[in-house]
Amino acid sequence: DGGITQSPKYLFRKEGQNVTLSCEQNLNHDAMYWYRQDPGQGLRLIYYSQIVNDFQKGDIAEGYSVSREKKESFPLTVTSAQKNPTAFYLCASSIGGGAGNEQFFGPGTRLTVL
Amino acid sequence: GENVEQHPSTLSVQEGDSAVIKCTYSDSASNYFPWYKQELGKGPQLIIDIRSNVGEKKDQRIAVTLNKTAKHFSLHITETQPEDSAVYFCAALGTGTASKLTFGTGTRLQVTL
Repeated sequence: DGGITQSPKYLFRKEGQNVTLSCEQNLNHDAMYWYRQDPGQGLRLIYYSQIVNDFQKGDIAEGYSVSREKKESFPLTVTSAQKNPTAFYLCASSIGGGAGNEQFFGPGTRLTVL
Repeated sequence: GENVEQHPSTLSVQEGDSAVIKCTYSDSASNYFPWYKQELGKGPQLIIDIRSNVGEKKDQRIAVTLNKTAKHFSLHITETQPEDSAVYFCAALGTGTASKLTFGTGTRLQVTL
């Protein structure tokens, strides 16, 4: 089965701790994205990567970091600098970053910081 | 940057009726407009999209219309069914960095029996 997976589905962390969210895809897509979703709001772009070993900040990158060492993996670290980290995090991928290619979303990780 | 507004935020219709969700965008150069459906606890799934070189697109009970002059696009669902109940998001692909989609705030559609 081809698809995009995120783990874990639910994650709890204490305030002040860094936490890394996993995102893996076996669709052979070049581009990958991280979004944050809060109740009553649309998806907001955190970081995106159009190709391996390259990534760019999205609209709300402060307090987050990413890496793209492998084509199939795009982990997101929520650092202690993120002031309000509790949210639903969605990872997506697409064939390429431009020309309106469809973005396929993973099932999401719900992060709760206590 | 691009700004997308979506209305209404909630919509309740009876089974069999039609539902219409509207979005406006700010960047006149935007050229790709997808619609996503998100069920509870899941990631969004693309249901239909439209590009700026067409005015309307249909896929069975779902249609999207685009008015580039007015910078708005709409999702139409006919003969609604209970399984259509979900949150729907519109999005627009802005210019500058082609990979960035800007999403609307979502519409929670409830189809009642």
